[in-house]
Amino acid sequence: NAGVTQTPKFRVLKTGQSMTLLCAQDMNHEYMYWYRQDPGMGLRLIHYSVGEGTTAKGEVPDGYNVSRLKKQNFLLGLESAAPSQTSVYFCASSQSGTSYGYTFGSGTRLTVV
Amino acid sequence: GNSVTQMEGPVTLSEEAFLTINCTYTATGYPSLFWYVQYPGEGLQLLLKATKADDKGSNKGFEATYRKETTSFHLEKGSVQVSDSAVYFCALPPSGGYQKVTFGIGTKLQVIP
Repeated sequence: NAGVTQTPKFRVLKTGQSMTLLCAQDMNHEYMYWYRQDPGMGLRLIHYSVGEGTTAKGEVPDGYNVSRLKKQNFLLGLESAAPSQTSVYFCASSQSGTSYGYTFGSGTRLTVV
Repeated sequence: GNSVTQMEGPVTLSEEAFLTINCTYTATGYPSLFWYVQYPGEGLQLLLKATKADDKGSNKGFEATYRKETTSFHLEKGSVQVSDSAVYFCALPPSGGYQKVTFGIGTKLQVIP
């Protein structure tokens, strides 16, 4: 069982470059999320989706865009990377309903120089 | 809104010691409660959960009891192993229309042989 797969696992970008992080889940989950994890800041929600074709802003959406064209995929884009976006990015998915937990991917470590 | 207060680490224990990581929460009603674990270099994994008051969640030797009278969900393990070294997060599920899980700050556990 693959669960939630994130690609790439590591990336180094120069300031101003763009990139897309891909998240794919094979559990038929309705909800998908993008988080960033920074030392001392905990996990912060960037964007989320409650179903195919839907997206919504989380706590820290500035500088990021997302798309969910297919139920199983949730893409996170950085149009013009900045050093402040250096972080570890996690994708997660869940069934709808508050008694279900999240399934997380293994993360993408992004460095912007 | 929802909030989670989790003891700050790091916590350093010798192998076979008893572990308690405190977690208290503020929420409307009686939400499900979760503990997640993050091993080095990996994403978070759901460790255990409890869906109603007085429920006890358990997994891999870890236990936590949902105490509504003290609004607590403390994580315990009777005898820790080196392989339990990780960061542990207490969490509340999304509430209202904003799909944001409330995570605690995370407690780093280091178990030494």
